[in-house]
Amino acid sequence: QVHLQESGPGLVKPSETLSLTCNVSNYSIRDGFYWVWIRQAPGRGLEWVATIYPPHNTFYLPSLKRRASISLDTSQNQFFLRLTSVTAADTAVYYCARQAGSSGWYELESWGQGIQVTVSS
Amino acid sequence: DIQMTQSPSSLSASVGDRVTITCRASETVSVYLNWYQQKPGKAPRLLIYAVSRLPSGVPSRFSGSGSGTDFTLTINGLQPEDFATYHCQQTYRTPYSFGQGTKLE
Repeated sequence: QVHLQESGPGLVKPSETLSLTCNVSNYSIRDGFYWVWIRQAPGRGLEWVATIYPPHNTFYLPSLKRRASISLDTSQNQFFLRLTSVTAADTAVYYCARQAGSSGWYELESWGQGIQVTVSS
Repeated sequence: DIQMTQSPSSLSASVGDRVTITCRASETVSVYLNWYQQKPGKAPRLLIYAVSRLPSGVPSRFSGSGSGTDFTLTINGLQPEDFATYHCQQTYRTPYSFGQGTKLE
């Protein structure tokens, strides 16, 4: 069974860059599926951030497209989210997930446990 | 962008009840409609995909229906472990939007 685990800083200063890593185990990310970042601000609903389909096909939430970058490293079986110029509005729990592709219905079938990221000086 | 609206935002129910949550899309999402269950402090988990398909391990008391723009999640015979927040999501087109969630309490 695939396992996903987020890592990264819990606290980021305003205007700085947030970098998150999702480590994937029990499945090779090069073998298929889409890989996704989702976030959830305090007391809010879920918000899709970005998806990557190996090797380099990417999709972004339009409001974050200028600041967000999703990428992957197949040799390390990891994928990443980079978010520049963060503000307090980027404070959220960030989840990585595996997304079914065209052989499914693009559902988010497996999730990491999430990582709390706070933007504050 | 496709907007997803869930109703109600919160719902009070008791063990054994039959519960229905609705999700409406601002335009058609065909059958690309998924439901997730989220418990406090935990990650969401996939509950139903493609409107009515249950992943392995999801109890059969959960069911989904609908097509196009209007969808329903039904729980028949509510169990104590079902008290959670439920989210719908469309994966018909990016951005893959979610509803605001329905808290079942």
